[in-house]
Amino acid sequence: QVQLQESGPGLVKPSGTLSLTCAVSGGSISSSNWWSWIRQPPGKGLEWIGEIYHSGSTNYNPSLKSRVTISVDKSKNQFSLKLSSVTAADTAVYYCARKWRYCSGGSCSYYFDYWGQGTLVTVSS
Amino acid sequence: EIVLTQSPGTLSLSPGERATLSCRASQSVSSSYLAWYQQKPGQAPRLLIYGASSRATGIPDRFSGSGSGTDFTLTISRLEPEDFAVYYCQQYGSSPLFTFGGGTKVEIK
Repeated sequence: QVQLQESGPGLVKPSGTLSLTCAVSGGSISSSNWWSWIRQPPGKGLEWIGEIYHSGSTNYNPSLKSRVTISVDKSKNQFSLKLSSVTAADTAVYYCARKWRYCSGGSCSYYFDYWGQGTLVTVSS
Repeated sequence: EIVLTQSPGTLSLSPGERATLSCRASQSVSSSYLAWYQQKPGQAPRLLIYGASSRATGIPDRFSGSGSGTDFTLTISRLEPEDFAVYYCQQYGSSPLFTFGGGTKVEIK
């Protein structure tokens, strides 16, 4: 059973950099999966931030791309998120998740099958 | 960007009733790329349906998904007390790679 656990500061100052880590257990981060960050502002919906493969390849949400860096540390079986120049609008619960690809009958589905519990990051002075 | 619009915003129903949730896409979405999640307060989303109609492992058969093109539906045949939650649809495939609908809250009437 794969488990994901987010960690990092719960409070970040405006204009600072938000840094979070997602530790993966019960499976290898070097398996054939992509690993994502997703966020949810309080009382609002879900926003996909970006994803990384164990090779270091990344895909980002264009709306955040200029401020986001996702990296992987295979030796520690974890991946990380950095979001720069944060404002109050970046206050959210941040989730890490595994993207799973299921293929059948010539077509493939992509979805998030394992999620971390989420961590609230507040941007405030 | 493909925008997913979920309706209604809130659905007030009693246990035992049938719930029908809608997810409408601004452009055609491959059925393979449409998923549904359930989220309870203080918890991460849980995958219910992938490929528009395939139930995830361990999901009761009272949950079913259907639809194609721009219109997708999640149906809960008979609501159990544990089904009162917020439900999100999600699409994969265009930029950004993943987008989610705004959610439908199913509340106890």
